[in-house]
Amino acid sequence: QTVVTQEPSFSVSPGGTVTLTCGLSSGAVSTSYYPSWYQQTPGQAPRTLIYRTNTRSSGVPDRFSGSILGNKAALTITGAQADDESDYYCVLYMGSGIYVFGTGTKVTVL
Amino acid sequence: QVQLQQSGPGLVKPSQTLSLTCAISGDSVSSNSAAWNWIRQSPSSGLEWLGRTYYRSKWYSDYAVSVKSRITINSDTSKNQFSLQLNSVTPEDTAVYYCARDSNWNYDYWGQGTLVTVSS
Repeated sequence: QTVVTQEPSFSVSPGGTVTLTCGLSSGAVSTSYYPSWYQQTPGQAPRTLIYRTNTRSSGVPDRFSGSILGNKAALTITGAQADDESDYYCVLYMGSGIYVFGTGTKVTVL
Repeated sequence: QVQLQQSGPGLVKPSQTLSLTCAISGDSVSSNSAAWNWIRQSPSSGLEWLGRTYYRSKWYSDYAVSVKSRITINSDTSKNQFSLQLNSVTPEDTAVYYCARDSNWNYDYWGQGTLVTVSS
């Protein structure tokens, strides 16, 4: 079964920029995988940040952006803030009605 | 405003069936532009998509390979809700279970989550 890989953790300074990636154990991610990105804080349901590669969800600050970088989907946080400290998950559509979540990235802002 | 309200037991014995329901308000389970999903999160672990049901002139369901032999997701149009049944559970099925709406490739609304513990 295909594994969707994310960096386990990232640390970013307040005001800094960090790019999280979402890749495949085999093959390249493209827009055909309809990548989306979710932010989750402890005890809460995930919240959509980005869907369909680069569409920002309603109410999401424009410091969050989505793209395809090389063979991976990417989420960039520009000008990180303290409340961006969360877990981040990507989801890919694998075809045939199947979706797979990424392994998740824990972002620390310090 | 769409709201999803989950219900179901928080404790299930090994080998039995896990059953959860997600009641929808603000949308229809028969919507032609949404799909209704179950997603879980094991303790201290990541998210796992389990499956979905949706209506496009007829009903469809899709399931994750990892649970395909044990899972059923059904809809109930009279109550505007959908349900999850997971058979033959083991302690590895212990998780927080979420229902979620998928619209335009976006899980935009989530239920509150239900912690289900599999234990005798």
